[in-house]
Amino acid sequence: SAVISQKPSRDICQRGTSLTIQCQVDSQVTMMFWYRQQPGQSLTLIATANQGSEATYESGFVIDKFPISRPNLTFSTLTVSNLSPEDSSIYLCSVGLQGGSRTEAFFGQGTRLTVV
Amino acid sequence: AQTVTQSQPEMSVQEAETVTLSCTYDTSENNYYLFWYKQPPSRQMILVIRQEAYKQQNATENRFSVNFQKAAKSFSLKISDSQLGDTAMYFCAFMKIGGGGADGLTFGKGTHLIIQP
Repeated sequence: SAVISQKPSRDICQRGTSLTIQCQVDSQVTMMFWYRQQPGQSLTLIATANQGSEATYESGFVIDKFPISRPNLTFSTLTVSNLSPEDSSIYLCSVGLQGGSRTEAFFGQGTRLTVV
Repeated sequence: AQTVTQSQPEMSVQEAETVTLSCTYDTSENNYYLFWYKQPPSRQMILVIRQEAYKQQNATENRFSVNFQKAAKSFSLKISDSQLGDTAMYFCAFMKIGGGGADGLTFGKGTHLIIQP
């Protein structure tokens, strides 16, 4: 299993500023994933963060808006830049562990971002 | 790319009843997993049940079971003897297994399940 600590749990930010979200995993993992959950919606994958290489972004998400760092195998950050009210969402980090009948995705507790 | 469809935005049943949540998916992948995740108001994502695509036997976890129809690309969740604590959003999710291991998940839109006392 994996335990993921995500910080901050919530924040209120002014438009035009940025917020950096931190994600710490209690074990070494190759890939970490960042999701966005807009109000009342499902989770959408933003990007995959690989240690030692550039993050891979999903369609509709760009590095300039969502820069990601992955300095080691247990830590990643997601920055949401140039904030607008449309960025108000929950952001979650996740790791996937493949292990046959124990394969599972684990999630942090999420960061609730409100842009005013 | 894969898609996951949940056609029931909200369902409401009485406590102790049985309820079935529907999910269909589309993929060209052969090696994948399917999951049901529960998200209560605390927003923590909680695994309810998993199904390995190459296993024909339907997964079961206590009161939770799935009906996995691979050819039809259908993956429904049955909750028996429903309890008030089952009230939550339920997401059906697809995970591809690639060369690098577990891939990111593709989620359905979710079903808001309400258990009435």
